[in-house]
Amino acid sequence: QVQLVQSGAEVKKPGASVKVSCKASGYTFTSYGISWVRQAPGQGLEWMGWISAYNGNTNYAQKLQGRVTMTTDTSTSTAYMELRSLRSDDTAVYYCARVGHGTCDYWGQGTLVTVSS
Amino acid sequence: DIQMTQSPSSLSASVGDRVTITCQASQDISNYLNWYQQKPGKAPKLLIYDASNLETGVPSRFSGSGSGTDFTFTISSLQPEDIATYYCQQYDNLLIFTFGPGTKVDIK
Repeated sequence: QVQLVQSGAEVKKPGASVKVSCKASGYTFTSYGISWVRQAPGQGLEWMGWISAYNGNTNYAQKLQGRVTMTTDTSTSTAYMELRSLRSDDTAVYYCARVGHGTCDYWGQGTLVTVSS
Repeated sequence: DIQMTQSPSSLSASVGDRVTITCQASQDISNYLNWYQQKPGKAPKLLIYDASNLETGVPSRFSGSGSGTDFTFTISSLQPEDIATYYCQQYDNLLIFTFGPGTKVDIK
């Protein structure tokens, strides 16, 4: 069965960076993309970007351009999302999701990132 | 950028009621529209893809319709386990996604 397992919760200081991992299993990793979606406390879903696990092509949300980098390691079927220059409003649950034909059809369990001094 | 709006932002209905949520795109998105359900503390779950297609395993009381800029999501007979927030999401040819603001559904 398809599973996406994310790394554990992080606490970071403002200005620091965070790197969240998402390990995929149960399907051919390079046949799909991975999207990253975040959700601030009590707020809605915010799409952060997408990476093709086939060729590494990326598309990032405009507001995060320059601060976010998404990568994949096909040898371990793992996707990564790094966010730099963290601010308090980056505090959120970060989700990875498998992307097939424009849908996020399987999701990770979420990773809470708390930015606090 | 394409903007998505949803209405209502919240609703309260009785078990067995028909519930309808609308989603509007700021420009024509054809049928590139998906619907998700999110229960508190859980990851979202895909319910409907490409406006009207039911994801495998999703109960048939959920349905979607529409194309262009106006879309509708319906629960034909609300059940207690349907308490959740529902989001529409559009995508384009570059796989740029936008989520709607969400509709919170409660039991009256």
